[in-house]
Amino acid sequence: IAGITQAPTSQILAAGRRMTLRCTQDMRHNAMYWYRQDLGLGLRLIHYSNTAGTTGKGEVPDGYSVSRANTDDFPLTLASAVPSQTSVYFCASSDSMVTGGYNEQFFGPGTRLTVL
Amino acid sequence: QKEVEQNSGPLSVPEGAIASLNCTYSDRVSQSFFWYRQYSGKSPELIMSIYSNGDKEDGRFTAQLNKASQYVSLLIRDSQPSDSATYLCAVPAGSARQLTFGSGTQLTVLP
Repeated sequence: IAGITQAPTSQILAAGRRMTLRCTQDMRHNAMYWYRQDLGLGLRLIHYSNTAGTTGKGEVPDGYSVSRANTDDFPLTLASAVPSQTSVYFCASSDSMVTGGYNEQFFGPGTRLTVL
Repeated sequence: QKEVEQNSGPLSVPEGAIASLNCTYSDRVSQSFFWYRQYSGKSPELIMSIYSNGDKEDGRFTAQLNKASQYVSLLIRDSQPSDSATYLCAVPAGSARQLTFGSGTQLTVLP
Protein backbone atom coordinates (compact mmCIF):
# COMPACT_ATOMS: atom_id res chain seq x y z
CA ILE A 1 0.00 0.00 0.00
CA ALA A 2 1.05 3.57 -0.48
CA GLY A 3 -0.49 6.43 1.41
CA ILE A 4 -3.16 6.40 4.06
CA THR A 5 -5.82 3.78 4.59
CA GLN A 6 -8.88 4.06 6.78
CA ALA A 7 -11.32 1.43 7.99
CA PRO A 8 -14.17 0.91 7.88
CA THR A 9 -15.32 2.77 4.77
CA SER A 10 -18.70 3.31 6.34
CA GLN A 11 -20.51 2.24 9.47
CA ILE A 12 -23.94 2.52 11.01
CA LEU A 13 -23.77 2.47 14.78
CA ALA A 14 -26.32 2.45 17.56
CA ALA A 15 -26.06 5.28 20.07
CA GLY A 16 -24.12 4.30 23.17
CA ARG A 17 -21.90 1.81 21.38
CA ARG A 18 -18.12 2.04 21.35
CA MET A 19 -16.41 2.39 17.98
CA THR A 20 -12.81 2.61 16.82
CA LEU A 21 -11.94 4.10 13.46
CA ARG A 22 -8.64 2.85 12.13
CA CYS A 23 -6.00 4.82 10.25
CA THR A 24 -2.69 3.53 8.92
CA GLN A 25 -0.06 5.33 6.87
CA ASP A 26 3.03 3.88 5.22
CA MET A 27 4.81 7.13 4.39
CA ARG A 28 6.67 7.27 7.73
CA HIS A 29 5.14 10.66 8.40
CA ASN A 30 5.72 11.82 11.95
CA ALA A 31 2.47 13.74 12.36
CA MET A 32 -1.09 12.43 12.05
CA TYR A 33 -4.51 14.03 12.41
CA TRP A 34 -8.20 13.25 12.69
CA TYR A 35 -10.82 15.56 11.22
CA ARG A 36 -14.56 15.45 10.94
CA GLN A 37 -16.38 17.07 8.06
CA ASP A 38 -19.95 18.22 8.36
CA LEU A 39 -22.06 20.09 5.82
CA GLY A 40 -21.69 23.81 6.32
CA LEU A 41 -19.02 23.44 8.99
CA GLY A 42 -16.08 22.35 6.91
CA LEU A 43 -13.18 20.27 8.22
CA ARG A 44 -12.64 20.46 11.96
CA LEU A 45 -9.67 19.00 13.79
CA ILE A 46 -10.52 16.45 16.50
CA HIS A 47 -7.11 15.27 17.71
CA TYR A 48 -3.59 15.26 16.41
CA SER A 49 -0.26 13.62 17.10
CA ASN A 50 3.02 15.34 16.28
CA THR A 51 5.03 12.17 16.84
CA ALA A 52 4.58 8.64 18.14
CA GLY A 53 3.78 8.66 21.84
CA THR A 54 2.26 12.16 21.90
CA THR A 55 -1.24 13.43 21.20
CA GLY A 56 -3.03 16.76 21.38
CA LYS A 57 -6.56 18.09 21.33
CA GLY A 58 -7.96 19.91 18.35
CA GLU A 59 -11.02 22.08 17.94
CA VAL A 60 -13.66 19.42 18.73
CA PRO A 61 -12.10 16.70 20.95
CA ASP A 62 -15.02 15.95 23.29
CA GLY A 63 -16.33 12.39 23.02
CA TYR A 64 -13.23 11.17 21.16
CA SER A 65 -9.92 9.69 22.21
CA VAL A 66 -6.79 8.74 20.29
CA SER A 67 -3.56 6.87 20.83
CA ARG A 68 -0.28 6.81 18.93
CA ALA A 69 1.64 3.72 19.91
CA ASN A 70 3.75 3.72 16.74
CA THR A 71 4.47 5.88 13.70
CA ASP A 72 2.05 4.18 11.32
CA ASP A 73 -1.22 3.86 13.25
CA PHE A 74 -3.52 6.47 14.73
CA PRO A 75 -6.88 5.02 15.84
CA LEU A 76 -9.79 7.23 16.85
CA THR A 77 -12.20 5.89 19.47
CA LEU A 78 -15.73 6.99 20.26
CA ALA A 79 -16.31 5.63 23.76
CA SER A 80 -20.09 6.02 23.68
CA ALA A 81 -21.39 7.22 20.34
CA VAL A 82 -24.06 9.92 20.10
CA PRO A 83 -26.07 11.02 17.04
CA SER A 84 -24.17 14.32 16.85
CA GLN A 85 -21.08 12.30 15.99
CA THR A 86 -22.65 11.36 12.67
CA SER A 87 -20.12 12.70 10.18
CA VAL A 88 -17.43 11.88 7.68
CA TYR A 89 -14.11 11.29 9.40
CA PHE A 90 -10.80 11.89 7.66
CA CYS A 91 -7.37 10.86 8.84
CA ALA A 92 -4.38 12.81 7.55
CA SER A 93 -0.62 12.78 7.93
CA SER A 94 2.26 15.15 7.32
CA ASP A 95 6.02 14.91 7.19
CA SER A 96 6.76 17.89 9.39
CA MET A 97 6.34 19.01 12.91
CA VAL A 98 3.80 21.79 13.29
CA THR A 99 6.12 24.31 14.86
CA GLY A 100 8.26 25.88 12.17
CA GLY A 101 7.38 23.24 9.60
CA TYR A 102 5.47 23.32 6.38
CA ASN A 103 2.31 21.51 7.24
CA GLU A 104 1.43 19.79 3.95
CA GLN A 105 -1.12 17.23 4.95
CA PHE A 106 -2.27 14.24 2.95
CA PHE A 107 -5.68 12.68 3.56
CA GLY A 108 -7.05 9.19 3.73
CA PRO A 109 -10.25 8.21 1.90
CA GLY A 110 -12.51 8.80 4.90
CA THR A 111 -15.01 6.89 7.01
CA ARG A 112 -18.69 7.74 6.81
CA LEU A 113 -20.21 7.17 10.25
CA THR A 114 -23.90 7.26 11.08
CA VAL A 115 -25.00 7.09 14.71
CA LEU A 116 -28.65 6.25 15.22
CA GLN B 1 -13.87 36.64 12.96
CA LYS B 2 -13.15 33.17 11.64
CA GLU B 3 -9.50 32.29 11.34
CA VAL B 4 -9.84 31.33 7.68
CA GLU B 5 -12.64 32.67 5.51
CA GLN B 6 -13.57 31.85 1.95
CA ASN B 7 -16.25 33.00 -0.43
CA SER B 8 -18.91 30.40 0.21
CA GLY B 9 -20.06 30.37 -3.39
CA PRO B 10 -21.24 28.49 -5.25
CA LEU B 11 -19.19 29.85 -8.11
CA SER B 12 -20.03 29.01 -11.71
CA VAL B 13 -17.79 29.75 -14.68
CA PRO B 14 -18.00 28.70 -18.33
CA GLU B 15 -15.49 26.23 -19.70
CA GLY B 16 -12.29 27.96 -20.73
CA ALA B 17 -12.75 30.90 -18.37
CA ILE B 18 -10.60 31.86 -15.38
CA ALA B 19 -11.97 30.84 -12.00
CA SER B 20 -10.88 32.99 -9.06
CA LEU B 21 -11.11 31.66 -5.53
CA ASN B 22 -10.37 33.86 -2.55
CA CYS B 23 -9.33 33.29 1.04
CA THR B 24 -8.51 35.61 3.94
CA TYR B 25 -6.91 34.64 7.23
CA SER B 26 -6.61 36.32 10.59
CA ASP B 27 -3.30 35.03 11.99
CA ARG B 28 -0.55 37.44 10.92
CA VAL B 29 2.27 35.04 11.77
CA SER B 30 1.10 32.34 9.36
CA GLN B 31 3.91 31.35 7.00
CA SER B 32 2.43 28.59 4.87
CA PHE B 33 -0.77 28.42 2.89
CA PHE B 34 -2.48 25.56 1.10
CA TRP B 35 -5.23 24.92 -1.40
CA TYR B 36 -7.03 21.60 -1.43
CA ARG B 37 -9.50 20.29 -3.98
CA GLN B 38 -12.30 18.00 -2.85
CA TYR B 39 -14.55 16.18 -5.27
CA SER B 40 -17.97 15.19 -4.01
CA GLY B 41 -17.75 12.12 -1.82
CA LYS B 42 -13.95 12.10 -1.89
CA SER B 43 -11.17 13.23 0.43
CA PRO B 44 -9.34 16.56 0.14
CA GLU B 45 -6.38 16.55 -2.25
CA LEU B 46 -3.51 19.01 -1.94
CA ILE B 47 -3.11 20.98 -5.17
CA MET B 48 -1.06 24.05 -4.24
CA SER B 49 1.11 25.32 -1.42
CA ILE B 50 2.63 28.79 -1.18
CA TYR B 51 5.00 30.27 1.38
CA SER B 52 6.23 33.58 -0.07
CA ASN B 53 4.48 36.73 -1.18
CA GLY B 54 3.68 36.82 -4.86
CA ASP B 55 2.54 34.27 -7.37
CA LYS B 56 3.25 30.58 -7.70
CA GLU B 57 2.25 28.82 -10.88
CA ASP B 58 1.70 25.11 -11.44
CA GLY B 59 0.16 24.25 -14.78
CA ARG B 60 -3.25 25.90 -15.01
CA PHE B 61 -3.21 26.82 -11.33
CA THR B 62 -1.75 30.00 -9.85
CA ALA B 63 -1.69 30.76 -6.15
CA GLN B 64 -1.30 34.39 -5.11
CA LEU B 65 -0.23 35.42 -1.62
CA ASN B 66 -0.32 38.87 -0.03
CA LYS B 67 0.75 38.61 3.60
CA ALA B 68 0.25 42.33 4.26
CA SER B 69 -3.40 42.02 3.30
CA GLN B 70 -3.68 38.50 4.78
CA TYR B 71 -5.08 37.26 1.53
CA VAL B 72 -4.41 34.19 -0.58
CA SER B 73 -6.14 33.33 -3.84
CA LEU B 74 -6.23 30.52 -6.36
CA LEU B 75 -6.69 31.15 -10.06
CA ILE B 76 -7.62 28.34 -12.41
CA ARG B 77 -6.98 29.20 -16.04
CA ASP B 78 -8.76 27.50 -18.94
CA SER B 79 -11.26 25.98 -16.52
CA GLN B 80 -12.47 22.50 -17.38
CA PRO B 81 -15.60 20.65 -16.25
CA SER B 82 -13.23 18.30 -14.39
CA ASP B 83 -12.26 21.25 -12.18
CA SER B 84 -15.77 21.25 -10.72
CA ALA B 85 -15.19 20.58 -7.03
CA THR B 86 -15.04 22.28 -3.66
CA TYR B 87 -11.80 24.16 -3.04
CA LEU B 88 -10.54 24.48 0.51
CA CYS B 89 -8.07 27.05 1.76
CA ALA B 90 -5.94 25.98 4.75
CA VAL B 91 -3.64 27.98 7.01
CA PRO B 92 -1.78 27.03 10.22
CA ALA B 93 -3.44 28.93 13.05
CA GLY B 94 -4.19 28.88 16.75
CA SER B 95 -1.93 28.28 19.70
CA ALA B 96 -0.93 24.82 18.45
CA ARG B 97 -0.34 26.08 14.89
CA GLN B 98 -2.56 23.39 13.49
CA LEU B 99 -3.94 23.57 9.95
CA THR B 100 -7.25 25.42 9.95
CA PHE B 101 -9.54 25.04 6.96
CA GLY B 102 -11.96 27.46 5.43
CA SER B 103 -15.47 26.23 4.77
CA GLY B 104 -14.70 25.86 1.06
CA THR B 105 -15.91 27.32 -2.21
CA GLN B 106 -17.91 25.10 -4.52
CA LEU B 107 -16.88 25.61 -8.14
CA THR B 108 -18.90 24.47 -11.12
CA VAL B 109 -17.42 24.73 -14.62
CA LEU B 110 -20.16 24.72 -17.19
CA PRO B 111 -19.49 22.95 -20.52
